[in-house]
Amino acid sequence: QKEVEQNSGPLSVPEGAIASLNCTYSDRVSQSFFWYRQYSGKSPELIMSIYSNGDKEDGRFTAQLNKASQYVSLLIRDSQPSDSATYLCAVNRDSNYQLIWGAGTKLIIKP
Amino acid sequence: NAGVTQTPKFQVLKTGQSMTLQCAQDMNHNSMYWYRQDPGMGLRLIYYSASEGTTDKGEVPNGYNVSRLNKREFSLRLESAAPSQTSVYFCASSEGSWNTEAFFGQGTRLTVV
Repeated sequence: QKEVEQNSGPLSVPEGAIASLNCTYSDRVSQSFFWYRQYSGKSPELIMSIYSNGDKEDGRFTAQLNKASQYVSLLIRDSQPSDSATYLCAVNRDSNYQLIWGAGTKLIIKP
Repeated sequence: NAGVTQTPKFQVLKTGQSMTLQCAQDMNHNSMYWYRQDPGMGLRLIYYSASEGTTDKGEVPNGYNVSRLNKREFSLRLESAAPSQTSVYFCASSEGSWNTEAFFGQGTRLTVV
């Protein structure tokens, strides 16, 4: 079992709809969770970080964390074609441990 | 703002050749990282430097060496390139430790033939 798992996709969502991206992790003591976006041929860039159970909202993006079920999700409201990218989930135990990365989910927003 | 700058952007090597990937950041970050990204495998950490003067192995260090030349610069060397090292390499930096935002360079696409 991979330490951080994501559905590779592609996930196809109509423009204006909500895109839901999921990530599960195996280390129960994980504390920090990150969502990065990576456009094709480009480098990853941070979208959201979340550390506590519940929801965290930033504009059209909402990160959701459920430590009991060991999953973290990213919701993108009012999806735009510019949201088409690969979304990477990264997890770590605490500040002394390496980030562990998922393989990413490719998201396609159809006009 | 340049952020994190990597050179070169593309490189083709023959098996057995050596090369050094250069990375520099202008954000006064303490920590720097080298990752490789392969299709379907996500980012894998090769080496990292938590602070100037220190380097540590990551998940896949075999075949690589690094040098933290100063606070700004962190280089990755392939002593004898192998086809298995064909990948996209990213340098990244962060202000502090693993739970702070990492900023990535534009990547180096390396092909070993």
